[in-house]
Amino acid sequence: AQKITQTQPGMFVQEKEAVTLDCTYDTSDPSYGLFWYKQPSSGEMIFLIYQGSYDQQNATEGRYSLNFQKARKSANLVISASQLGDSAMYFCAMKGYSTLTFGKGTMLLVSP
Amino acid sequence: DGGITQSPKYLFRKEGQNVTLSCEQNLNHDAMYWYRQDPGQGLRLIYYSQIVNDFQKGDIAEGYSVSREKKESFPLTVTSAQKNPTAFYLCASRMDREVDTQYFGPGTRLTVL
Repeated sequence: AQKITQTQPGMFVQEKEAVTLDCTYDTSDPSYGLFWYKQPSSGEMIFLIYQGSYDQQNATEGRYSLNFQKARKSANLVISASQLGDSAMYFCAMKGYSTLTFGKGTMLLVSP
Repeated sequence: DGGITQSPKYLFRKEGQNVTLSCEQNLNHDAMYWYRQDPGQGLRLIYYSQIVNDFQKGDIAEGYSVSREKKESFPLTVTSAQKNPTAFYLCASRMDREVDTQYFGPGTRLTVL
């Protein structure tokens, strides 16, 4: 069985600073994928970034980067230069055979 | 514009009534999914379908039913057997197994009174 753990229920960051959202995972599959989604107050889940277990480089997408440490089974999301619009819930998820397993999320609040 | 639509955004029903939530996509994606989200929680998988006329139960399928008669459509029926139906329901789709990313619709918030 796959498991995703997000230990930070909430995080506070000031505008323009960087923030790291933690995600640890557990799986017995040798090949897997990890995702981060953003859920603003409107409710829609927005795909941010993907990391495959065999990818040599850490994934980056604009201000988002994924700090993938395979030996530690962690896939932390780093948001650089936070903006007020980054305030939202953030979910880490792992790909199974054809489904996703989600963590419980971290609420990020960006203050001016 | 390509995307996933869910209607309605808000839905109210009386206890004991069945209700069907709509999910339509024009992305030509093969797989579609239904998730349930409760306050302060992550998403839990209800049902998914990888091809037309075929679907599989997820982790919390009891009290729900689905159909997949067309590639574009994957409606979810919340039956009176579902003990706690009040929740936020999200539909998602994915192109095929080679492309893993699931894309989500805006969601339907169901309240059963």
